[in-house]
Amino acid sequence: ELKVEQNPLFLSMQEGKNYTIYCNYSTTSDRLYWYRQDPGKSLESLFVLLSNGAVKQEGRLMASLDTKARLSTLHITAAVHDLSATYFCAGINAGGTSYGKLTFGQGTILTVHP
Amino acid sequence: DTEVTQTPKHLVMGMTNKKSLKCEQHMGHRAMYWYKQKAKKPPELMFVYSYEKLSINESVPSRFSPECPNSSLLNLHLHALQPEDSALYLCASSQDRLGDTQYFGPGTRLTVL
Repeated sequence: ELKVEQNPLFLSMQEGKNYTIYCNYSTTSDRLYWYRQDPGKSLESLFVLLSNGAVKQEGRLMASLDTKARLSTLHITAAVHDLSATYFCAGINAGGTSYGKLTFGQGTILTVHP
Repeated sequence: DTEVTQTPKHLVMGMTNKKSLKCEQHMGHRAMYWYKQKAKKPPELMFVYSYEKLSINESVPSRFSPECPNSSLLNLHLHALQPEDSALYLCASSQDRLGDTQYFGPGTRLTVL
């Protein structure tokens, strides 16, 4: 069964600084997803990473995937307050009765302060 | 348009009540999902419908009963819930089960008294 672990679980950043959130997964996952969730809101899709070496960037966020290491990273560049949210990574079960099931990491609560 | 709608936004119900949550998408997606999310936790999958057939039931108690009347609609019927069932219930849809991005609705905040 796929297991997904994120770290850190809590991240307090100063505006303008850079930081990385790590997402490790236990077995083969066809794809790796990153979602953002604001307090009391739903999940917003940020990135889907399809293959080894995939890198995607949107604004101050950049996500990458290393399937050999079973590791995805979400890099934050020059953080701003608007990035404060909870970030989830998720892998997808590639076979068996749970085919297509998303398994989420625990989430990283990011707070950006002045 | 990547919109999934859910009604109601908030629901308060007693343990003896029967209520339903509704989810709708018009993106032509053929897979639809129900998730339950407790505060400060990740979403937990409850059910998956693929081409209007129930594909995954994550051992959810029978007091939760899903229904997919057509490819655009997904309902979750609730009966005899417990206070610990209070949570945010999220609906999602994707093109199919083959790993396409799942788009989430705004959720229904359920409180069971």
